[in-house]
Amino acid sequence: AQSVTQLDSQVPVFEEAPVELRCNYSSSVSVYLFWYVQYPNQGLQLLLKYLSGSTLVKGINGFEAEFNKSQTSFHLRKPSVHISDTAEYFCAGAKGSQGNLIFGKGTKLSVKP
Amino acid sequence: DGGITQSPKYLFRKEGQNVTLSCEQNLNHDAMYWYRQDPGQGLRLIYYSQIVNDFQKGDIAEGYSVSREKKESFPLTVTSAQKNPTAFYLCASSGTGVEVEKLFFGSGTQLSVL
Repeated sequence: AQSVTQLDSQVPVFEEAPVELRCNYSSSVSVYLFWYVQYPNQGLQLLLKYLSGSTLVKGINGFEAEFNKSQTSFHLRKPSVHISDTAEYFCAGAKGSQGNLIFGKGTKLSVKP
Repeated sequence: DGGITQSPKYLFRKEGQNVTLSCEQNLNHDAMYWYRQDPGQGLRLIYYSQIVNDFQKGDIAEGYSVSREKKESFPLTVTSAQKNPTAFYLCASSGTGVEVEKLFFGSGTQLSVL
């Protein structure tokens, strides 16, 4: 079955610490992969995307992700988080070429001072 | 500025009532989507439309209806058949095919049952 799995529902971390949010995708999901961020009561904003080419993808707000085909993973990382990074993060994969995305269930990142 | 506008931001529904959520985009996108978001469930696709006057059911279409009479507009009606409508509803639009990365989201509508 086509799926995207986010392994952690909540990740608490202290300010200025590094963070990794984990995402695995099923091999049947097209390898267009995305990370979105959602702040409370708002829509989703694209952080970064992998379509092809370099497996290390850099996005906005200092985030980056690495596409790992052998492990079917697309983990999101940031070397030093800020309070303002507190939000929910969604990993998504494109379902074929039609543009329908399959979303993971989200990971709530909570950055504490 | 180009973007997607959802209205209203908050909506309340009485038992047995149909309500319609508005979604308008001025990005000249062909494709539009409706997602439902429940806490801890991620986003689930309700309906999508690749072109005017055509739309397809997503994963959870039961109890919902849509229309696509204009390229800019994709309203979602939550019917009385939807027994658990309380959720956050997100509209999105994109180019088709390889432009899937250009998916833009509206700011959402929170629907609650009175």
